[in-house]
Amino acid sequence: DAGITQSPRHKVTETGTPVTLRCHQTENHRYMYWYRQDPGHGLRLIHYSYGVKDTDKGEVSDGYSVSRSKTEDFLLTLESATSSQTSVYFCAISSDYNSPLHFGNGTRLTVT
Amino acid sequence: EDKVVQSPLSLVVHEGDTVTLNCSYEVTNFRSLLWYKQEKKAPTFLFMLTSSGIEKKSGRLSSILDKKELFSILNITATQTGDSAIYLCAVEGLNTGNQFYFGTGTSLTVIP
Repeated sequence: DAGITQSPRHKVTETGTPVTLRCHQTENHRYMYWYRQDPGHGLRLIHYSYGVKDTDKGEVSDGYSVSRSKTEDFLLTLESATSSQTSVYFCAISSDYNSPLHFGNGTRLTVT
Repeated sequence: EDKVVQSPLSLVVHEGDTVTLNCSYEVTNFRSLLWYKQEKKAPTFLFMLTSSGIEKKSGRLSSILDKKELFSILNITATQTGDSAIYLCAVEGLNTGNQFYFGTGTSLTVIP
């Protein structure tokens, strides 16, 4: 398995609270991604990073922010969690163009 | 709008059958097409195809890409119960950085 660790693995939080999910990699890969997976929608890109402090929005970025201060860490923050953000969140990494994505084991987030 | 469409949505077969899964796409600045297998946790990488007509093969699984007609197929021969999973197709496009667009997947169930 690629060295990708997501934390926490499970989280239950209340509507309106901020939440931060962490992705840590030991592969020194340049690209890091946050996806959410929901039934009927597949995997949808939230944000991605193409280097330290270089990030960009994906197709479902509203309500989320990210930061990458070190190559190995990519943080996803839900600024004020809503029930629509209940989902499974996957972090993925890629070394370069034409290189496959490798996924972490996911974080299951429930917003009540 | 970039999109990836997989068919069928779900499939139930008997052990020993051969299955064909389909993936069609419309993605700006296509770079590559990838297949993943997802059981209970994270998607795991199967194949990456970058050139037309090239077949990638691994054991009972094979895949081919048609860049002219914008589709790919994944074949699984002599299916086993361990092949039961969701199979995801992803297409890599180039914008600011790498972006991977996923289909919603095909759910395959192999019954003994």
